[in-house]
Amino acid sequence: AQSVTQLDSQVPVFEEAPVELRCNYSSSVSVYLFWYVQYPNQGLQLLLKYLSGSTLVKGINGFEAEFNKSQTSFHLRKPSVHISDTAEYFCAVSLYGGYNKLIFGAGTRLAVHP
Amino acid sequence: NAGVTQTPKFQVLKTGQSMTLQCAQDMNHEYMSWYRQDPGMGLRLIHYSVGAGITDQGEVPNGYNVSRSTTEDFPLRLLSAAPSQTSVYFCASSLSGTDTQYFGPGTRLTVL
Repeated sequence: AQSVTQLDSQVPVFEEAPVELRCNYSSSVSVYLFWYVQYPNQGLQLLLKYLSGSTLVKGINGFEAEFNKSQTSFHLRKPSVHISDTAEYFCAVSLYGGYNKLIFGAGTRLAVHP
Repeated sequence: NAGVTQTPKFQVLKTGQSMTLQCAQDMNHEYMSWYRQDPGMGLRLIHYSVGAGITDQGEVPNGYNVSRSTTEDFPLRLLSAAPSQTSVYFCASSLSGTDTQYFGPGTRLTVL
């Protein structure tokens, strides 16, 4: 069975500082990897996804993530955060060839302070 | 396009009552899913559909029924609500199995 672990439940950071949100997954088969963002009282929005190819994936709003197969990780990074990045971030996996059935991590709440 | 719409936005039920959460999409997506979101647990898949007339169970299907008679609509039915079903429910749709899933705004359900 697949599982996703987001290593930090909360990450406080000052505005314009860099941030890394960590995600590890467990799977015995190939997976697709995703990062979603949820702003307060809203649904989820896709930030980026890894299906195949280059292990460095660039997404919206200046975020990027790197797929590391040997460490089964897919950490999300941004070099300089803004107040508007305050939100909850979810890492998710789906099985290669699966019907887009997402398995989510518990989420990381990013709080950007002025 | 309206995208994925969900109704109602909020609902309070008493234990044992039944209700249907509505989900519709206007993007002609084949794949649709229902998730529930609970604090500290992320989102968990309840049921999903890969096309009209085809549905299957996800991680936490007990207590929920679905059907998919049209491409556009994917309602979620609670036959006898229980306090454990208090949650925020999200519907999502995608064009294919590897395509981006688009999420609706959610329905916040409280069962007393």
